[in-house]
Amino acid sequence: GAVVSQHPSWVICKSGTSVKIECRSLDFQATTMFWYRQFPKQSLMLMATSNEGSKATYEQGVEKDKFLINHASLTLSTLTVTSAHPEDSSFYICSAERDQYEQYFGPGTRLTVT
Amino acid sequence: DAKTTQPTSMDCAEGRAANLPCNHSTISGNEYVYWYRQIHSQGPQYIIHGLKNNETNEMASLIITEDRKSSTLILPHATLRDTAVYYCIPQGTQGGSEKLVFGKGTKLTVNP
Repeated sequence: GAVVSQHPSWVICKSGTSVKIECRSLDFQATTMFWYRQFPKQSLMLMATSNEGSKATYEQGVEKDKFLINHASLTLSTLTVTSAHPEDSSFYICSAERDQYEQYFGPGTRLTVT
Repeated sequence: DAKTTQPTSMDCAEGRAANLPCNHSTISGNEYVYWYRQIHSQGPQYIIHGLKNNETNEMASLIITEDRKSSTLILPHATLRDTAVYYCIPQGTQGGSEKLVFGKGTKLTVNP
């Protein structure tokens, strides 16, 4: 159990367009989900904490108007990268919290902005 | 958040035990030690966690020193599929959701 999916697994978009990434907990409900970003050869960096039914909490340095997060249900959180630029190209990973202190990660979404 | 120190990389022969150390000397009394791993281009995978006592599950064993300042993750019979970056992460128990802070981890390479 405790499966988290992400869609799409990879996406290529043109500079200036917006891209939406979905994160779903398939067999459990998650009040809290997290979004991470990972650049090549670097570790995961937390971008924001997403709570169902309320506004996301963004980490310092992450633009909330650029990275829109919606957690409309207990099984779905979405991350929209607005007006994407090449520097936004990265591996985006979500995690969902099943029980307190148990986080399960999705497989990641590779975004390439051309 | 407690700071951790892990070796940058380690090698292990297939079938042998892999022992991955982690120093977390500033860990607070209510922080668990969590271990995750990340296989290339995949999301992290939970391995094991513990507070004071040694823990074992189907994937690994976790040995925590009595002073809790360090721990060792043991993969008893490493396989090629265990090649990954391993992260040791202290996580608090103050209540509510706790974010995970990933360090650089240890890149474990299991050789045939």
